[in-house]
Amino acid sequence: RKEVEQDPGPFNVPEGATVAFNCTYSNSASQSFFWYRQDCRKEPKLLMSVYSSGNEDGRFTAQLNRASQYISLLIRDSKLSDSATYLCVSNDMRFGAGTRLTVKP
Amino acid sequence: GAVVSQHPSWVICKSGTSVKIECRSLDFQATTMFWYRQFPKQSLMLMATSNEGSKATYEQGVEKDKFLINHASLTLSTLTVTSAHPEDSSFYICSARDPRQGANYGYTFGSGTRLTVV
Repeated sequence: RKEVEQDPGPFNVPEGATVAFNCTYSNSASQSFFWYRQDCRKEPKLLMSVYSSGNEDGRFTAQLNRASQYISLLIRDSKLSDSATYLCVSNDMRFGAGTRLTVKP
Repeated sequence: GAVVSQHPSWVICKSGTSVKIECRSLDFQATTMFWYRQFPKQSLMLMATSNEGSKATYEQGVEKDKFLINHASLTLSTLTVTSAHPEDSSFYICSARDPRQGANYGYTFGSGTRLTVV
């Protein structure tokens, strides 16, 4: 079993939609979690850190549930520019498979 | 913010030759760097953790004699793909974290190296 498992996707949503991704992790000792965004043929870029209390950055909300060992990312009012692959990762730097999001006009 | 520079951006080489990829932390010192490989439409696979002044830690299934990692200074780690074959063609990318920043800042990635072996 992979250490970090992610929603398979792909997600195809219209502009303005709300979309949520989940990742589950197997290592209960993992301390930190992050969401990265990767555009086609580019390097991943940090989107958000994930805190137990949940954190919000504009249209993006991340949540960590330690009891159930999953993290989530919610994107509200999605934009065309949100189209990318979203990757979750724990502090041991092992990535999930990535979820591809396509936002359509 | 932290900047990680990776070179070359792309390289084409002949089968059997070796290719060296450099990863530099430009404005911070990195005792640890991570090397990944990504095949088309797949996720980043951690290959190895590069440790300054000591041996790299390789992930299961990654041949350490084929993928040589050297982390000779606090700002430079290199990955050498030895005796490259077409199946080694992939996107190789490194990452590091500025220790001056808290753990919640995550890791910064280099821009990646696209290797094509012909």
